[in-house]
Parts: sequence; C-alpha cells; structure tokens
Amino acid sequence: EAQVTQNPRYLITVTGKKLTVTCSQNMNHEYMSWYRQDPGLGLRQIYYSMNVEVTDKGDVPEGYKVSRKEKRNFPLILESPSPNQTSLYFCASNFRLGADTQYFGPGTRLTVL
Amino acid sequence: AQSVTQPDIHITVSEGASLELRCNYSYGATPYLFWYVQSPGQGLQLLLKYFSGDTLVQGIKGFEAEFKRSQSSFNLRKPSVHWSDAAEYFCAVSTDSWGKLQFGAGTQVVVTP
Repeated sequence: EAQVTQNPRYLITVTGKKLTVTCSQNMNHEYMSWYRQDPGLGLRQIYYSMNVEVTDKGDVPEGYKVSRKEKRNFPLILESPSPNQTSLYFCASNFRLGADTQYFGPGTRLTVL
Repeated sequence: AQSVTQPDIHITVSEGASLELRCNYSYGATPYLFWYVQSPGQGLQLLLKYFSGDTLVQGIKGFEAEFKRSQSSFNLRKPSVHWSDAAEYFCAVSTDSWGKLQFGAGTQVVVTP
C-alpha cells in the first residue's frame, strides 16, 4: 500500500530538548516536504527536498532542520524546541506535481511545554 | 504577493442542503489547484485537483469544483450535504511543478440535522 508514515503521532516535550520526527514514504517519490498546521493559518511549508541531499527552506524554516540521506526518509529535527513550535506537523511526498498529487502522512501533534 | 484566500472561516449547512466553499488565489499564472478535506483528528484527504483541461472537475464523495480563470477562483460544491461532510476544507495551489503547496486558512463546515 502506498503511504507516508510519520512517527511519533503524538509527542509532548519540554523546551530545549532535541527531538526528531521521522517521515518515510514507499512510493519512490523525489519530492518530500514538511508542513505545520496552525488554527487560522492553514498549512505552511517548513522545508522541502527535491531529491537525496537536496533540501531547501520553505516559508517557516526557523527553528527546524531536515536531512535527506535516503530517498524514502525525510526527518524533521527540532534542535531546541520552543512553545511556539507546538503544532500539528505533516510530512508529504510526490513525483513532479503536474503528473501526480501530493500524498500526506497522518500528522504528528507536538506539544512543547 | 502570492496568496490563497478562503473568505469563509466557518459555514453551517443543513443536511441535504447544497454547499459551496469559496477559494480565490492571487498568482501571475494559472496554478495547479487542489481541495483537501480534514475530518476531526484526521490527516488530509485529497478531494479533487485541477491541472488543465475541463474547468469543471469531479472529485470524490460527490464534490466538484469549477476553475474560473477570469475570477481567479476555484470554488468547491456539493449538491446535497451529508452529516459526514462535517470537516475542515482547505484550498491549495501550486505554481511550481514540483510540489510546494500554498494553503488557504481553511473553512470549517458544520452540518446540522
């Protein structure tokens, strides 16, 4: 089954404690991205990757890091989380958009105390 | 500046009544257009998309959307709403062929008996 998986689905942490949210897709997609969803703001792109070792900032990259060492995985790293990073996070992947659609993971709800 | 606007934050509709959700975009060229639905506590599900061709697009769950270039709009419609349609609906656009999506703020739909 084609899917994007994220782990963990729920996470409560404290300010400053480094964390990683994993994302994996089994569709051999080149493009992967991370979004955060906040009430009244919709989803905003944090980072994206066009292929292995190719990553770039989205609209709200501050406080986040990513890596793309393998095509299937695209982890999101919060080196020093702060309360304003409390949000719902979605990973997504796709081939070139004109020929396909973007597939979203189930989401990770992060709370930073 | 590029933007996606969903003018209605919240809509209440009676079961069996028709539904129309508005979406306007501001981009230089015709973008790729999408509607997603997010049920409570769930991830994003693609309802329909427009890349090119026929401007009236049919999607899943009985939804359709019409692209109007002159109005820069991509409104979503359903002739008869079911209680299970209660959810948040997001319009999204992309002007690059890779995958960056720009989302509207979302419209919350409440369905009353």
